Amino acid sequence: EVQLVESGGGLIQPGGSLRLSCAASGFTVSSNYMSWVRQAPGKGLEWVSVIYSGGSTYYADSVKGRFTISRDNSKNTLYLQMNSLRAEDTAVYYCASAVGAANYGMDVWGQGTTVTVSS
Amino acid sequence: DIQMTQSPSSLSASVGDRVTITCQASQDISNYLNWYQQKPGKAPKLLIYDASNLETGVPSRFSGSGSGTDFTFTISSLQPEDIATYYCQQYDNLPPHTFGQGTKLEIK
Repeated sequence: EVQLVESGGGLIQPGGSLRLSCAASGFTVSSNYMSWVRQAPGKGLEWVSVIYSGGSTYYADSVKGRFTISRDNSKNTLYLQMNSLRAEDTAVYYCASAVGAANYGMDVWGQGTTVTVSS
Repeated sequence: DIQMTQSPSSLSASVGDRVTITCQASQDISNYLNWYQQKPGKAPKLLIYDASNLETGVPSRFSGSGSGTDFTFTISSLQPEDIATYYCQQYDNLPPHTFGQGTKLEIK
């Protein structure tokens, strides 16, 4: 079964760091377009970051310089390292991938992990 | 960065109605557009990719059209289970691959 399972969310103080993990099964992380998307409470979806199969990475302006996306091919896992966290980073974070026929349509999503930045 | 303007932000319709949502890109994105459905407390679900291609397993009452800067998402006959928020997303060229603001669909 094709699946993504996120972990690593929690309550963190402003300025702190957190690393989110997204374990994949049923497909290979390194062969696919892998993204992080977040949703602040009561708000819409916000694209955060992507890593392409070739290894290129991109970030939303709101997180550039603070977040780093990476993958561990041996563990078939995607990561999001989040530093210098701010209150506005509070959100449910989803990892997602384009696995099927759509090159950049994200057809596999994790269940989401909640990050709360608060003192 | 490309901005996506989605309208309306909310919509109330009756079961059986034809429902239309529009999405406008700030520049030409060819057909590089996805549509997602999100139900409360759940992850989004891909419905349409490349502006008009129906994702496998998605009911045929859902459809998408458009190219360039103007796109339309249609539900031909609204069903109770279609109550959700719908988002467009562009993926033209390099990221960021921005989402529209969302359209919350309710039953009248």
